[in-house]
Amino acid sequence: DIQMTQSPSSLSASVGDRVTITCRASQGISAYLNWYQQKPGKAPKLLIHGTISVQSGVPSRFSGSGSGTDFILTISSLQPEDFATYYCQQTYNTPFTFGPGTKVDIK
Amino acid sequence: EVQLVQSGAEVKKPGESLRISCEGSGYSFSNYWITWVRQTPGKGLEWMGRINPRDSYANYSPSFEGHVTFSVDKSVSTAYLQWSSLKASDTAQYYCARVRVNGNYLDFDYWGQGTLVTVSS
Repeated sequence: DIQMTQSPSSLSASVGDRVTITCRASQGISAYLNWYQQKPGKAPKLLIHGTISVQSGVPSRFSGSGSGTDFILTISSLQPEDFATYYCQQTYNTPFTFGPGTKVDIK
Repeated sequence: EVQLVQSGAEVKKPGESLRISCEGSGYSFSNYWITWVRQTPGKGLEWMGRINPRDSYANYSPSFEGHVTFSVDKSVSTAYLQWSSLKASDTAQYYCARVRVNGNYLDFDYWGQGTLVTVSS
């Protein structure tokens, strides 16, 4: 199975901050990488697909980059509604696997 | 509007059977695979497998194969996740999601609200 890791596991930030979250795959996954946002008590929500494509309806402050084994989710200017947990997911091989998550909370 | 609506929370005893459901609406149900994802505090999000509503072909993650069964009823646009003998370790939140294929890429673009399954004696 492809193992996904994320760093940091949590971070504290202020509204307006630029936030970056890193995801690493245990082997190359080309661009088969998605990012999801999950708020407490809610289902995950697709943010970024295919490494760089922003899902319809998702604000443009969210962006993704990377390829191979290293990927980044960037929030250019953190908003109050962005405080949540973020997960990466590889869909290069089954079983599709998720990272352990990065919790973003208020500083 | 695309929606996936899951059945309500369940409390069961070890050894009991259970089937939970996921009803799709607002799109052509047969045209998109349905996937199931388990979430626990200890292991996070785990992909369980997927099923093609068109022909009921399913593939399972090795971690879940043999312990759960996926099925669909196209006539009511509903997918099911079933256990024949629950274990305490099946206690988790379960999500269904729609699988979107976009060129060579695949993602889970719409999710159900989740079904909490609690297994306790």
